[in-house]
Amino acid sequence: KQEVTQIPAALSVPEGENLVLNCSFTDSAIYNLQWFRQDPGKGLTSLLLIQSSQREQTSGRLNASLDKSSGRSTLYIAASQPGDSATYLCAVKSSGDKLTFGTGTRLAVRP
Amino acid sequence: DAGVIQSPRHEVTEMGQEVTLRCKPISGHNSLFWYRQTMMRGLELLIYFNNNVPIDDSGMPEDRFSAKMPNASFSTLKIQPSEPRDSAVYFCASSLQRGPSYEQYFGPGTRLTVT
Repeated sequence: KQEVTQIPAALSVPEGENLVLNCSFTDSAIYNLQWFRQDPGKGLTSLLLIQSSQREQTSGRLNASLDKSSGRSTLYIAASQPGDSATYLCAVKSSGDKLTFGTGTRLAVRP
Repeated sequence: DAGVIQSPRHEVTEMGQEVTLRCKPISGHNSLFWYRQTMMRGLELLIYFNNNVPIDDSGMPEDRFSAKMPNASFSTLKIQPSEPRDSAVYFCASSLQRGPSYEQYFGPGTRLTVT
């Protein structure tokens, strides 16, 4: 059974700092990995999707990497802003059409 | 594109009552997913449909839960009878399945409170 873990559970940083969020999964036989953002009381917004054959994806200040063999992904946020404050979730698609979600990292960026 | 639409956004009901949650997927998408999010268990997949057919309902917690997708543009998740432990945020998501890898798009969720 696929299990997804995210570290740290919570993170508070001053504005402008570069930061890394971590995601690990137990079964390396995945089709893709997706990073989401969730604002309080809102739904999930897809940030980046990395196919199993890819090593990384970039969108603006966000860069996500994937090391399938070691069961790890990182989300790098450059020059963090208060508007980046949210919960970040990673999810892996490893069989059928199911996504298995991680526990999330709650990020607070202080002005 | 209007995105995935869910209704109602908030539902408060008494234990024992029937609850129906509704979802309209993104036009053209052929897969639809129902998730439940709680503090204790995080996000869990309840059931998903492909081309209006239920594919996997192993995440449905018990017989009190049922889901239907009568056509490509509408799905319902019903809880009958509801219990306080059903209180959670229920999300609907849709995707265009063109192979093993595709992106899921989530609705804003329905916050259910059962008293």
